[in-house]
Amino acid sequence: GENVEQHPSTLSVQEGDSAVIKCTYSDSASNYFPWYKQELGKRPQLIIDIRSNVGEKKDQRIAVTLNKTAKHFSLHITETQPEDSAVYFCAAIASGYSTLTFGKGTMLLVSP
Amino acid sequence: IAGITQAPTSQILAAGRRMTLRCTQDMRHNAMYWYRQDLGLGLRLIHYSNTAGTTGKGEVPDGYSVSRANTDDFPLTLASAVPSQTSVYFCASSEDRVTEQFFGPGTRLTVL
Repeated sequence: GENVEQHPSTLSVQEGDSAVIKCTYSDSASNYFPWYKQELGKRPQLIIDIRSNVGEKKDQRIAVTLNKTAKHFSLHITETQPEDSAVYFCAAIASGYSTLTFGKGTMLLVSP
Repeated sequence: IAGITQAPTSQILAAGRRMTLRCTQDMRHNAMYWYRQDLGLGLRLIHYSNTAGTTGKGEVPDGYSVSRANTDDFPLTLASAVPSQTSVYFCASSEDRVTEQFFGPGTRLTVL
């Protein structure tokens, strides 16, 4: 089945810096790649997603890039703010699979 | 519009007892999911249902059962709870496999 690896497991940055979280996937047929943010004590919520027919997608300070050849995708957060502190999960799904496979998460801490 | 709800919010349960966690969505989503979240292990899929009347096993199905009698409800049953089932349980729903999953607020279950 699909395997999703996520790195790093923890990431500490100063406010205003950029943060990058990387995920690799195993199934070359994967075609949908969402990112979820989970604040402490809250439920996961989708922040951005990308499909295999595009290489990059942006939404204000966040962007996701996809490299299908290398089978990896990354979340980029620019001008980080303390409210960006949370656990971020990547996920992937390929045609023929019934459910998303999630990475194990990255705890991002943004210090003022 | 409530979205997706779970009950109870939290529960302390004696080992060996039977417990049903409830999940209801009002978005008419076809797919529903149950995850457990333990510290450092991310979101692990227990069971899923891609449409009413069908269910499937996820990554960690042992000790759990589900039913999907209608579109809105997807209860998760622990037939005989064990301490290793202590976790936070999230229900989620989505229109289909490759669209945003909406998560419920979670149920914190402690098995003693």
